[in-house]
Amino acid sequence: DTEVTQTPKHLVMGMTNKKSLKCEQHMGHRAMYWYKQKAKKPPELMFVYSYEKLSINESVPSRFSPECPNSSLLNLHLHALQPEDSALYLCASKMRAGPNQPQHFGDGTRLSIL
Amino acid sequence: SQQGEEDPQALSIQEGENATMNCSYKTSINNLQWYRQNSGRGLVHLILIRSNEREKHSGRLRVTLDTSKKSSSLLITASRAADTASYFCAGTGNQFYFGTGTSLTVIP
Repeated sequence: DTEVTQTPKHLVMGMTNKKSLKCEQHMGHRAMYWYKQKAKKPPELMFVYSYEKLSINESVPSRFSPECPNSSLLNLHLHALQPEDSALYLCASKMRAGPNQPQHFGDGTRLSIL
Repeated sequence: SQQGEEDPQALSIQEGENATMNCSYKTSINNLQWYRQNSGRGLVHLILIRSNEREKHSGRLRVTLDTSKKSSSLLITASRAADTASYFCAGTGNQFYFGTGTSLTVIP
């Protein structure tokens, strides 16, 4: 079991649906991340939150909307997604932003867009 | 753009053999990390080596770092079937980025 919990594990949605992915950690970490991973590829960074504030947006389309309601919770709101958005979405956290900290990953949400 | 590359892309070995995978990166780093990803799971942090270190050990893992060549290697000794996974290097500097990954299969 990982210390970063992501729900749901699987999600199938149509292109007109609105859904949200949830990520939770109770390790007191203050930096949280969203990644997108396609099959047989490395994770690609999407967003970084540091102390509940968005610090990095890697030019992600606006159909992906992140939210950090508190230090333990990270959401990713989805709307009007495209079939190419089908992927594994990973959440990660670490103690604080900065280079010398390992990231702790959840097991991801497998997203399929019909 | 991809900042790190690993080779080989895929590696298949017998249980008990050693596995070596290499990582090359483009930009300067504060440290280099290695992660493992089992099929359908998230990534697990294995080891971190700082830019002023040349070699580090953790159990059956040995990591080397050559900042002049912008390269690192991960050696897994006495491999086990449970080591079957994808392995990613990750450079941390002004950016954090993953390498392309090596898929390791250990045959029992």
